[in-house]
This record gives sequence, C-alpha cells and structure tokens, in this order.
Amino acid sequence: GNSVTQMEGPVTLSEEAFLTINCTYTATGYPSLFWYVQYPGEGLQLLLKATKADDKGSNKGFEATYRKETTSFHLEKGSVQVSDSAVYFCARRPQGGSEKLVFGKGTKLTVNP
Amino acid sequence: GAGVSQTPSNKVTEKGKYVELRCDPISGHTALYWYRQSLGQGPEFLIYFQGTGAADDSGLPNDRFFAVRPEGSVSTLKIQRTERGDSAVYLCASSLTMNTEAFFGQGTRLTVV
Repeated sequence: GNSVTQMEGPVTLSEEAFLTINCTYTATGYPSLFWYVQYPGEGLQLLLKATKADDKGSNKGFEATYRKETTSFHLEKGSVQVSDSAVYFCARRPQGGSEKLVFGKGTKLTVNP
Repeated sequence: GAGVSQTPSNKVTEKGKYVELRCDPISGHTALYWYRQSLGQGPEFLIYFQGTGAADDSGLPNDRFFAVRPEGSVSTLKIQRTERGDSAVYLCASSLTMNTEAFFGQGTRLTVV
C-alpha cells in the first residue's frame, strides 16, 4: 500500500551532534516528499520538501534528498541545537490528483545542552 | 488572523454527544484540509475542500463524521454520536490553492469520556 515509515524515537542528542532521521515510503509513481516539524505548543510547520527524484530539500540547516532507488527521504543536520527539539514527521503526497498528505508516525528529538 | 485558527482548543464531551469543531483558514486560501492525530501517531487525512466543495472525503472513517465549508472559508467538522475512539487532536490546514504549501492550525484536542 501507500505508506511512510520513519525511525522510531525518541532520539536524544547533545548539542552540535549529527542528526539522521530515516524515512522510507511506498507509493506508485513519483510522490512529493516532505518533512514537517512540530515544536512544543505549536502547530505543524513545513520544514522542507522535494518533488522529484534526486531533489534536495533544505531549510534551517536541515537537508533531505529524494532517493527514488531506495525510496527514502532521510532527514539530516550536521550540528543540532537545543532549539531543534521537536517532533519531526515525514510525509508524502501522491503524484498528480490527490492533495492528501500521508504522514509517518513522527520522531521526537530532544537536544540537550 | 495571520494563521489557521481552530476553536475550541480543547473539547471534552460525553459518549454519544454531538460536537462541532471549527476551522478559520488563512484569508484567501481556497484549499482546506482536516486531519486527525491520535496519540503517538502521525496525522491521518480526513477530508479536503477546494472552495465550497469536498474534493476528497475518502478519509472520513464513517457516516458519523461530516464536514462543511458553505462559503468557501470557515469549515466545521461535525461528529455525531461520539465514541471514546474519536478522542484525538483534530488538525485543520489551508493552502492558497492546490499543490501549494499547507499551513496547519494548532488543532482541537477532543476527549470523549
């Protein structure tokens, strides 16, 4: 079926550590891929996106590359900060037609000083 | 307002009662989405409006759930004969048009006791 699988949390890192949150998807065709972030007490916000194979989305030091061959869209950041503590959701939207997003379960990240 | 506004922020209701959840999208946004997020899960799509019409209601779990957007702006999600399993955070999002970034509200936390 069409789904999104992301690594289970929680993830706890020290400040300036390297972050990877894995995300893989199943879908037909070429879906658009997204990472959303939910900071404590706030609504979901779009962090970055990629709409075709080999595209790299980036924002706020975070990056993710659309890998068609491995059906993956892993989120990375070279040096995390305490302010990056949040829940991160990987999501996909089918190619053409449907507007609905399919989300992963979310990964809670805590960054300690 | 500047963002998507959802009211109430919290709702506690008794099993079997009827509830209405309101969403005020960003002014001028033609697309509006409802999602449901259960504890420990990612948001799940319920329904999508383009203007006044429901373009995709495939995510509504059963006929107790209904949503309207009569003037193409504010939307109301209606749940009849609520059940304890309906307890979740109900999220609303809007976007300028199809295939553009969706902005999420902070959600309504519904608790059915």
